[in-house]
Amino acid sequence: DAKTTQPPSMDCAEGRAANLPCNHSTISGNEYVYWYRQIHSQGPQYIIHGLKNNETNEMASLIITEDRKSSTLILPHATLRDTAVYYCIVRVGSSNTGKLIFGQGTTLQVKP
Amino acid sequence: KAGVTQTPRYLIKTRGQQVTLSCSPISGHRSVSWYQQTPGQGLQFLFEYFSETQRNKGNFPGRFSGRQFSNSRSEMNVSTLELGDSALYLCASSYLGQGSQNEQFFGPGTRLTVL
Repeated sequence: DAKTTQPPSMDCAEGRAANLPCNHSTISGNEYVYWYRQIHSQGPQYIIHGLKNNETNEMASLIITEDRKSSTLILPHATLRDTAVYYCIVRVGSSNTGKLIFGQGTTLQVKP
Repeated sequence: KAGVTQTPRYLIKTRGQQVTLSCSPISGHRSVSWYQQTPGQGLQFLFEYFSETQRNKGNFPGRFSGRQFSNSRSEMNVSTLELGDSALYLCASSYLGQGSQNEQFFGPGTRLTVL
């Protein structure tokens, strides 16, 4: 079973920041938080991951709370092309496996 | 670098038939994982292959099988197809080596319809 809880859906106005929350209260010390997104009928796409420090890349920022029980993915200036299902996944980052356990994710609708 | 490719992209079969799907990972990636996506169950892990060996297996019946070749290309096979096997089948590859981010790169998927 997935170890994360996400709201089923969210809306965001184009050009505004989209903040997607994720709860992972049972996360272990060696588990990372990964985010993927899936645009309709395409394969999921890796966005970002982190352990305990905040992370930023060209796509998004990841804010992880100090107790690591929750995190927020931030898309700083959402565009219509960011409309997708966003998945928060907890896994051992250094693990030698490609296995991912997906939850139901959050459907983000970016509106003009 | 070319991305993960999957063939065929679309497939229509009838109940009782079998099907073979193919996945070519990104060059240099040795791990290939397969997922099934349906509206009701979402994305579910099928199995993972690494260096021609199955390393992880999800909770699917034995009708679902796979293999990996020495060039890391992978195939999955579903025998005795059932209506419920209609789904998008996704393949993902990963480097999983020292210093990698362990992120999975997904292909576009094969849409299987069972009539």
